[in-house]
Amino acid sequence: DVKVTQSSRYLVKRTGEKVFLECVQDMDHENMFWYRQDPGLGLRLIYFSYDVKMKEKGDIPEGYSVSREKKERFSLILESASTNQTSMYLCASVEGTRSEQFFGPGTRLTVL
Amino acid sequence: QKEVEQDPGPLSVPEGAIVSLNCTYSNSAFQYFMWYRQYSRKGPELLMYTYSSGNKEDGRFTAQVDKSSKYISLFIRDSQPSDSATYLCAMSASGGSNYKLTFGKGTLLTVNP
Repeated sequence: DVKVTQSSRYLVKRTGEKVFLECVQDMDHENMFWYRQDPGLGLRLIYFSYDVKMKEKGDIPEGYSVSREKKERFSLILESASTNQTSMYLCASVEGTRSEQFFGPGTRLTVL
Repeated sequence: QKEVEQDPGPLSVPEGAIVSLNCTYSNSAFQYFMWYRQYSRKGPELLMYTYSSGNKEDGRFTAQVDKSSKYISLFIRDSQPSDSATYLCAMSASGGSNYKLTFGKGTLLTVNP
């Protein structure tokens, strides 16, 4: 079974802090994604990566950056957290020739 | 018009009922269709995956795709309280190099014992 893990289930940070969210997958998938999920807005794509050191902006990249130094690990960085970044953050991965993405358990981030 | 429309519900049914969940879409290039189940405060889990038109069955779950009508459905037979969750439809224009999925906003389902 595909396993996607995220470093924290719940996280509380202060406005202005730099925040790192980590995602690791164990199936050698080429593609990895970061989403945020908010009530009434659904899932929105922040960034994705189709290879090590490669990244592309999704629909809402502002205020975020990403890092992919190793194939299995994809990090989301909030450079200076703001209250409007309080959300559920979901990481997903998929094999390069497929469409169906596999999700991690999510990190519920609260920015005070 | 939004690319994917999904009735948010909430939908409440008695145990044992047949549940029908639906999505409509506008992009005729979509070929791959997925249904995800998401329990409260958890990540979505892949439930069904279909390619192009037709039906796919897995236990109590049946996914239908009607590309001519741009309409997909998920049927749950003999629904159980454990089926209570949010169901998300998702679709993409092609597999492989087309990485992005377009999601519906989800339908909240409650199955009452």
